[in-house]
Amino acid sequence: EIVLTQSPEFQSVTAKEKVTITCRASQSIDGSLHWYQQKPDQSPKLLIKYGSQSFSGVPSRFSGSGAGTDFTLTINSLEAEDAATYYCHQSTSLPHTFGQGTKLEIK
Amino acid sequence: EVQLVASGGGLVQPGGSLRLSCVASGFSFSTYAINWVRQAPGKGLEWLSFINRGSDTIYYGDSAKGRFTISRDNAKNTVYLQMNSLRVDDTAVYYCARELGLGISYLDYWGQGTLVTVSS
Repeated sequence: EIVLTQSPEFQSVTAKEKVTITCRASQSIDGSLHWYQQKPDQSPKLLIKYGSQSFSGVPSRFSGSGAGTDFTLTINSLEAEDAATYYCHQSTSLPHTFGQGTKLEIK
Repeated sequence: EVQLVASGGGLVQPGGSLRLSCVASGFSFSTYAINWVRQAPGKGLEWLSFINRGSDTIYYGDSAKGRFTISRDNAKNTVYLQMNSLRVDDTAVYYCARELGLGISYLDYWGQGTLVTVSS
């Protein structure tokens, strides 16, 4: 099973800041790494697929990068509505696994 | 509009059974795979199961193997998750999520989730 480790687990930031969340895999992933946003009492929403491809309708301030075992989600110019928990997800091999989540608080 | 509506959750005693349903609309259901993912209270996401469009490829995570059975009825645009021998640690919100097809892709739309509580 591929273990995904996200860092940080919690971050408190101010609006308009730039945020970087990392996801490290226990073994190399072929690019099948995806990012989701989950707001309280809502279901997860896809932000980034295959490491760097933005999903339809996602604001351009969200971007993804990375390869191999290290991947990054970047949020430029944070907005108040970005307060949420963010998860990475690998679909390279079964079982699919998720990172433990990064909770983003807007000061 | 793509919609997935999960239902069937509720309170059940340890050792009991429940059948969850996920009804899809707004897209060609028979051309997509569906996954089930759960989230225990205050915890992260755990992948449970996958079924492809023709029901001939099915996968389970360790938590679901031997106790849960996934199935689908394309005529009813519905995927089911039959859960038997439920344990207290199965308490979670259960989400269904759409996938492109082969079990190696992203989950692009998720249902709203249905809460399963296992308690005596």
